Amino acid sequence: SSDLTQGPAVSVALGQTVRITCQGNSLRSFYASWYQQKPGQAPLLVIYDKDKRPSGIPDRFSASSSGNTASLTITGAQAEDEADYYCSSRDSNYNHVIFGGGTKLTVL
Amino acid sequence: QVQLVESGGGLGKPGGSLRLSCAASGFTFSNYYMAWIRQAPGKGLEWISHITDSGSGIYYADSVKGRFTISRDNAKNSLYLQMTSLRAEDTAVYYCARYDVSGWDSTWFDSWGQGTLVTVSS
Repeated sequence: SSDLTQGPAVSVALGQTVRITCQGNSLRSFYASWYQQKPGQAPLLVIYDKDKRPSGIPDRFSASSSGNTASLTITGAQAEDEADYYCSSRDSNYNHVIFGGGTKLTVL
Repeated sequence: QVQLVESGGGLGKPGGSLRLSCAASGFTFSNYYMAWIRQAPGKGLEWISHITDSGSGIYYADSVKGRFTISRDNAKNSLYLQMTSLRAEDTAVYYCARYDVSGWDSTWFDSWGQGTLVTVSS
């Protein structure tokens, strides 16, 4: 099986832009989806199908991908964006799914 | 709106069994793949199983294969996870999630339940 690697933590000043990255061989073949999880809550889908946002997700959330790296960008981070962020994709075993280890975002 | 409500968590003994249920509402359950995802205390997310809309396709992570069984009852809008041979490392919050697919290269979990805690301890 494959792995998805995320940095453990990143911080951003209020109103600034931050990028959270996810690396893995599976991303050469499959698109990543991204999830936001706040303490004590279930994960929330923020990006799917390459770069789409579910209804209700602010347009400051965007995604891109190149080679083995997928990125989630928050343009103009808000205090409410402070959370853990997870990437996910199909595994090299097509019928399995993998998650990255998560990145904790702190908004200063 | 889509609602997923898990139940059945609690304390299980090593080697024992538990059955989790997930009641779905707000969408046509029989049209969607469904999944179980878990999160150990203080840890990240781990996909453990999913089942196709008809139930004909079932897939497991290696960590639970042979011990856990996923199933669904489309008439009851319900998803299940039968957990056997429980281990301490199965201790986690278990989430039920709706699993969607676009083509062969894009998948995502677009709705999640609130989770149910399973603790495996003697």
